[in-house]
Amino acid sequence: DGGITQSPKYLFRKEGQNVTLSCEQNLNHDAMYWYRQDPGQGLRLIYYSQIVNDFQKGDIAEGYSVSREKKESFPLTVTSAQKNPTAFYLCASSILPGQGFEQYFGPGTRLTVT
Amino acid sequence: GQSLEQPSEVTAVEGAIVQINCTYQTSGFYGLSWYQQHDGGAPTFLSYNALDGLEETGRFSSFLSRSDSYGYLLLQELQMKDSASYFCAVRVRTGANNLFFGTGTRLTVIP
Repeated sequence: DGGITQSPKYLFRKEGQNVTLSCEQNLNHDAMYWYRQDPGQGLRLIYYSQIVNDFQKGDIAEGYSVSREKKESFPLTVTSAQKNPTAFYLCASSILPGQGFEQYFGPGTRLTVT
Repeated sequence: GQSLEQPSEVTAVEGAIVQINCTYQTSGFYGLSWYQQHDGGAPTFLSYNALDGLEETGRFSSFLSRSDSYGYLLLQELQMKDSASYFCAVRVRTGANNLFFGTGTRLTVIP
């Protein structure tokens, strides 16, 4: 089955530690995205990538970093510089615009930093 | 910048019809999408409107008026499983599928 996987589902870290969230897709999509969702809020774009080895900052990139070394993978690192990292993190992918506009989401990782 | 407004909560009866409105203000606009999210789950795509008018997909329909910066999602024959949060999202860049999401409308369907 094609889809997007995120691991782990729940993640706990101590303040001051960097943590990397995994995102893998086997949909052969070119574009991938990372969003953050806080309780009762919408999704806010952290980073996106439309092609391997290239990525762009979204609306709230400060304190986060990403890499796109393979088409299938788009890991997100939450650094110690992120002031309020506890949130639900969602990864998504899509084909390129002009071919369709649907984003497919993974199941998410709920990160708790104490 | 961008801003989207949608009601925070809506309650409707099973079998009824409900309309969720979304108004937007954006510096660029290329289309309006709707996503459904059940508690603790991943958002799933419902519809996309780039042009004015109504798009129908089964029990769900979505409408867009670009001149009014307004759209809505219409859910017919409501079922209990439709209880979820519904997000409108604007596509704000040409050449990319980047989305800016509203804060969501929590729909509760009651018997």
